[in-house]
Amino acid sequence: GAGVSQSPRYKVAKRGQDVALRCDPISGHVSLFWYQQALGQGPEFLTYFQNEAQLDKSGLPSDRFFAERPEGSVSTLKIQRTQQEDSAVYLCASSTDRFGSNQPQHFGDGTRLSIL
Amino acid sequence: AQSVAQPEDQVNVAEGNPLTVKCTYSVSGNPYLFWYVQYPNRGLQFLLKYITGDNLVKGSYGFEAEFNKSQTSFHLKKPSALVSDSALYFCAVRPRDSGGYQKVTFGIGTKLQVIP
Repeated sequence: GAGVSQSPRYKVAKRGQDVALRCDPISGHVSLFWYQQALGQGPEFLTYFQNEAQLDKSGLPSDRFFAERPEGSVSTLKIQRTQQEDSAVYLCASSTDRFGSNQPQHFGDGTRLSIL
Repeated sequence: AQSVAQPEDQVNVAEGNPLTVKCTYSVSGNPYLFWYVQYPNRGLQFLLKYITGDNLVKGSYGFEAEFNKSQTSFHLKKPSALVSDSALYFCAVRPRDSGGYQKVTFGIGTKLQVIP
């Protein structure tokens, strides 16, 4: 596809369940980012991949959050034992820039996660 | 640590009038600066960036932004607002002075409302 694709677009889960969010970046993009966007806020950085290497995971809020990009393309963000405060929109972005720095990031439309 | 301030939660402007959305930043050394726009239920879309050179940067959809180093500002402007410009606007910054990876930090966003 032409853009960054995220699935599902909407996810409702009960507190305590595990969820997996998928990101399919633009083909050939080296850098991949995950962000969390709470209602009325800007995107908050979660983690960064350069190809398959996770270079920065400093934004992951707890050890319940885990991300992977095993073949340097598709990425999955997994949240275990979900809690209500995990409710947010999760955005994925990719970039041609090797370090995702001065080139623009291309964003997917996000996954809106609601924890009941 | 780097930060971005968008002091206005909302900016209202009449269609056809000029618009300004304000952004100030704090970063060690010189910055890369970006503006993104977000429409409802969509991801962020890149508008423009400042890397180096001319302080006035022109971007998509007739938007421009002026980099002011002494005031550490990067205000977004457009000479004549359209109703279709109504959206959420995010300013973002990252440090330039590094050969490697640096995180991009986003502001909390400013809602632009263009009144017909």
